[in-house]
Amino acid sequence: DAKTTQPNSMESNEEEPVHLPCNHSTISGTDYIHWYRQLPSQGPEYVIHGLTSNVNNRMASLAIAEDRKSSTLILHRATLRDAAVYYCIPDNYGQNFVFGPGTRLSVLP
Amino acid sequence: ETGVTQSPTHLIKTRGQQVTLRCSSQSGHNTVSWYQQALGQGPQFIFQYYREEENGRGNFPPRFSGLQFPNYSSELNVNALELDDSALYLCASTFQGAYYYGYTFGSGTRLTVV
Repeated sequence: DAKTTQPNSMESNEEEPVHLPCNHSTISGTDYIHWYRQLPSQGPEYVIHGLTSNVNNRMASLAIAEDRKSSTLILHRATLRDAAVYYCIPDNYGQNFVFGPGTRLSVLP
Repeated sequence: ETGVTQSPTHLIKTRGQQVTLRCSSQSGHNTVSWYQQALGQGPQFIFQYYREEENGRGNFPPRFSGLQFPNYSSELNVNALELDDSALYLCASTFQGAYYYGYTFGSGTRLTVV
């Protein structure tokens, strides 16, 4: 399993963009990069995933480094509802996610 | 879509007892995974079921067992409960097919072993 390194915590102001980094230098060539987030008192929620190219969906954008050893989750305009723990997970088919401690994002009004 | 439903939401058991947790997967999903989340930590993978067969297992002892039913709902059974089994147990479902849509997680069952 690829090891990941994420900041323990980050802060953002409401309506500003947030860039959440993740290092996954031991990622294998077939691993996708999955991002999930966990709001207080809830189970994790799928955010986005990608392999090599940058990806966009209605929730966020995922920027993947050319060497795939790092990625950045981008929330374009943070809202209070985005306050959560964000997990970056390199994995092949998502059969056995290894969740690290993640990044706790605080959003200030 | 009804999402993933887990029951019960909270449970208190005594050490040595057995417990069964239940999960109704999201409509159309054929794969269920179970995770254990201790307080302040990320979820840990217990096992996965695909078409009623165990399809992968994490580093958990055999007293953790599971079932998946023809309607793709699932159960997690834990025998001989230990104090360290106190945790949030999460169920997640997805459709395994040509494209990955992500896992949908339930809100979990909070198990307390006393």
